[in-house]
Amino acid sequence: GNSVTQMEGPVTLSEEAFLTINCTYTATGYPSLFWYVQYPGEGLQLLLKATKADDKGSNKGFEATYRKETTSFHLEKGSVQVSDSAVYFCALSPSGQGSSASKIIFGSGTRLSIRP
Amino acid sequence: DAGVIQSPRHEVTEMGQEVTLRCKPISGHDYLFWYRQTMMRGLELLIYFNNNVPIDDSGMPEDRFSAKMPNASFSTLKIQPSEPRDSAVYFCASSPRQGAPGANVLTFGAGSRLTVL
Repeated sequence: GNSVTQMEGPVTLSEEAFLTINCTYTATGYPSLFWYVQYPGEGLQLLLKATKADDKGSNKGFEATYRKETTSFHLEKGSVQVSDSAVYFCALSPSGQGSSASKIIFGSGTRLSIRP
Repeated sequence: DAGVIQSPRHEVTEMGQEVTLRCKPISGHDYLFWYRQTMMRGLELLIYFNNNVPIDDSGMPEDRFSAKMPNASFSTLKIQPSEPRDSAVYFCASSPRQGAPGANVLTFGAGSRLTVL
């Protein structure tokens, strides 16, 4: 079946450090891949997405590249800020006709804390 | 659009009381989802609706939980009677119809934090 595995947290970094949060997936075909972010006291919101192999999603300085050969979608940022402290969720939506948000599968989330 | 609107934001109640959580999805979105988030279990899908019809309620923990969607702009999640283990943050989310732009993207509300004493 389809699944998403992301690195366990919490992750604690100093401001301006380089960030990588690993995410790997299991799915048939070509799923769409997502990163959602949840800031304290808020709901999840879409951070970026990629819909086919080698696509790079980017937003707010974050990037992730859809790697079919390694079934990965790692999240990276070159220089993190205190305001990036949040929980990050990797997710996939299976491919094929009729795909909808009803089939989205979330990872367990990775808590990121940035020290000033 | 104001996004997905949930109320109340915080609810504190005593064991055995009835709790009703409310959600207004984004106008034009055909799908509505109820999720529960806890530290122990993470994010769990409870139930989802398509065009106001419940499609999959396999995630609803037990008969104490019920959800309704009387029209396209309103849904409720009810817990009766409530128990301390129901304490969690409950999220409502919506998405467009299949095949529409952004069909596989969820827009979440800010959540309702429930504490059952």
